[in-house]
Amino acid sequence: QVQLVQSGSELKKPGASVKVSCKASAYTFSNYGMNWVRQAPGQGLEWMGRINTHTGNPTYAQGFTGRFVFSLDTSVNTAYLQISSLKAEDTAVYYCARDRDAMIPNWFGPWGQGTLVTVSS
Amino acid sequence: EIVLTQSPATLSLSPGERATLSCRASESISTYLAWYQQKPGQAPRLLIYDVSNRATGIPARFSGSGSGTDFTLTISSLEPEDFALYYCQQRNNWPRTFGQGTKVEIK
Repeated sequence: QVQLVQSGSELKKPGASVKVSCKASAYTFSNYGMNWVRQAPGQGLEWMGRINTHTGNPTYAQGFTGRFVFSLDTSVNTAYLQISSLKAEDTAVYYCARDRDAMIPNWFGPWGQGTLVTVSS
Repeated sequence: EIVLTQSPATLSLSPGERATLSCRASESISTYLAWYQQKPGQAPRLLIYDVSNRATGIPARFSGSGSGTDFTLTISSLEPEDFALYYCQQRNNWPRTFGQGTKVEIK
């Protein structure tokens, strides 16, 4: 079945960088866009943006420009989220979530299991 | 950006009762609304999309309605596994936005 498997939890110091991976299986990777969603501790869901897995073109929500970068490695069906110059307020669970339907920005499903990034000195 | 306001913040009900969750958009989003369920320690799961279409594997006790700015998720008879957080989300405009969530808890 379609599955998104994310990399494990990370503990980073302020100012460091982190790269979260999201490996997809059981579908044609380049046919479905990939979204990234942040959930801070005890908070709701926040859409960070989306990457077109066919063209590699990313779209970032306001507030997620500059330090946040979406990328792909289509040879291994994996999407990445890199965050640089980490701050304490970046502490959150980061989810990847595939577009529900092929070739169009759409609803989110399925989701990866989430990656907890903790930023602390 | 479109703001989605969910109410109530918490709904305290017993198993077997009917749950009615509301989501109001700051401007019309036509029928571009979905609902997600999230249980503690788990990723969200798509429940309902395009207002009223159940996602694959979602039981018939979940239903959605509405259009424009006012939307409702109804759980006809709560099962123990339905006690969770529920979020609405719109895809009418960029950026995609979520409501702040409604927690359905056991009374």
